[in-house]
Formats: sequence, structure tokens, C-alpha cells
Amino acid sequence: AQSVTQPDIHITVSEGASLELRCNYSYGATPYLFWYVQSPGQGLQLLLKYFSGDTLVQGIKGFEAEFKRSQSSFNLRKPSVHWSDAAEYFCAVDHGGATNKLIFGTGTLLAVQP
Amino acid sequence: DTEVTQTPKHLVMGMTNKKSLKCEQHMGHRAMYWYKQKAKKPPELMFVYSYEKLSINESVPSRFSPECPNSSLLNLHLHALQPEDSALYLCASSQDSRDGQETQYFGPGTRLLVL
Repeated sequence: AQSVTQPDIHITVSEGASLELRCNYSYGATPYLFWYVQSPGQGLQLLLKYFSGDTLVQGIKGFEAEFKRSQSSFNLRKPSVHWSDAAEYFCAVDHGGATNKLIFGTGTLLAVQP
Repeated sequence: DTEVTQTPKHLVMGMTNKKSLKCEQHMGHRAMYWYKQKAKKPPELMFVYSYEKLSINESVPSRFSPECPNSSLLNLHLHALQPEDSALYLCASSQDSRDGQETQYFGPGTRLLVL
């Protein structure tokens, strides 16, 4: 069965520091991969996605992610974190079949220190 | 425009009440979804509509009844809910282009409290 693992439940970084959030997936073929961000009490906002092609994907708000097939990973990065980036981040996988079903990781809560 | 709207934003209901959650999108998407999200957890898929037909029901109790009146609207009818049904209910939509490369866009959610 497909699964998504986000090993870090909670991360704290200082404002201006770099950020990397980890995501590993378990799936036989190349999946479609997503990162969403959720501020408290809000819906999910799409940050970026990977379907095929260039393995380094640029997203909104200065985020990027790199698909590494050999490591089954799709880690999210940002070179300089802003206080407004504090939120919950979800990695998700869609196997691309007919069911349009997203499998979410458990999420990583990002706190930003001034 | 990638906007999905949901009403109401907040809802408080008793266990004997009947209420409905509404979701709307005007992106021409043909797939629409209901998710339930408990605090500090990822969203859990409840229902998927594809071309206005129910395509996935994730074994959701019958006290939740989805309805898709047209391609832009999705309702979730609630009846005889339990306190454990209190959660954030999220609606999403996607193009359903059948090439598998679907991107789901989420609404802001309805915060439901069952007393």
C-alpha cells in the first residue's frame, strides 16, 4: 500500500534561517507529489507539485522541492524563512490512477522564532 | 482563479439537528471532494464526485449524505451527528481530466462543532 512519511512532527527555525522539511513515499512507480500548507483554522494551500520532468520544482512563496527517485523523497526547502511561514505542512502523493485519491503524510508543524 | 468557497465558516449543531455544508467552485472542475480533518491530523477523504456521480465513498456513516446538484456545487447533508464528528470539513475540486495528473484545490473549510 502506498504511504507517505513526514519524519518531523515539529520543527522550529529562526527567522531568516534555511528550512528543509522531509517527505518520503512508498510506491512502486513514480507518483505525483504535492506539498500543501495550512495555517491554523484554514484550508490547504498548494505550494508546489511534481508530475514529471525537471526534478527540482519551484513553488509559491519562495519554496522549492526536489524529487529524488533513488531516495523516494520529495523534500521541501526554503532558503530564508519568514515569520509568516509558520504553519502546518503536508506532503501528499497521488498514484495517478482513476480514483484521484491523495495520500497525505502526518504533517510537520513549523514554528519560526524571531 | 483557483478559488473554492465553503459556507458556513462555522457551524454549531445539536445531535438531533439537520444541517448542510455547501461548497462551490467556478473553475470548470468536474471532480469534487469532501474531507474531514481532526485537530493536528491530516485530512481524511470522505467522498469523491466525478462528473456529478459519486465515485468514492470511504465507508462514511450514513449520517453524512453528500449531494452534487451540478458541476459547480457540492453539498454535505448532516443528520443525527455525534460529538466525535466535530472537525474541520474541507471541500476540494480538481479538473478530472482523466490523464491522472490531478491537482486538488481546497476551500477554507467549515469548522463544525456538535454538542
